[in-house]
Amino acid sequence: KAGVTQTPRYLIKTRGQQVTLSCSPISGHRSVSWYQQTPGQGLQFLFEYFSETQRNKGNFPGRFSGRQFSNSRSEMNVSTLELGDSALYLCASSWSAKGDEQYFGPGTRLTVT
Amino acid sequence: GESVGLHLPTLSVQEGDNSIINCAYSNSASDYFIWYKQESGKGPQFIIDIRSNMDKRQGQRVTVLLNKTVKHLSLQIAATQPGDSAVYFCAENSMDSSYKLIFGSGTRLLVRP
Repeated sequence: KAGVTQTPRYLIKTRGQQVTLSCSPISGHRSVSWYQQTPGQGLQFLFEYFSETQRNKGNFPGRFSGRQFSNSRSEMNVSTLELGDSALYLCASSWSAKGDEQYFGPGTRLTVT
Repeated sequence: GESVGLHLPTLSVQEGDNSIINCAYSNSASDYFIWYKQESGKGPQFIIDIRSNMDKRQGQRVTVLLNKTVKHLSLQIAATQPGDSAVYFCAENSMDSSYKLIFGSGTRLLVRP
């Protein structure tokens, strides 16, 4: 069974631009979560989707948004990029509604210049 | 490889010795805990989990201990191997809610040959 896939793996954007990252969960998984990882802040929760509904959101500004499609694939969007948005963005999926292990993808490395 | 954290605490052990990685979690309401391993350039990899109704759980070469009284979690790795070198994160979640993992800051494990 294929793991969580994320595209693109690397991305360079300029301040003020917007970006869309994509995540395909493991087949059969309905929960998709997004995390931001930086050397200074570590791993921080962005949001979680289950059956196309956002169930939980972390403490990030409204420039960060996401959505989930009927096939469980998910996208996250960051608008008006700032230098501080440079990070590794990780997607994780799980088969259940709660309480079970999440499997992470390799991440998308976003660099904002 | 990508830098997970610039100032992570580091544990250096001799190959073949046992390793113990500690973690203090923050939320007394958390009832599900996970250990992840992250190698350079990769997403976190699930190692082992434990629910709050247990105080010990064993896997292959790994044991997780949970002390709810002092909100402390530890990961023991038996007969540490060079392939165990990585950054290790503990994460906590409340099973009453959807996925919203709160990650610790991580510990870098270096295995000396």
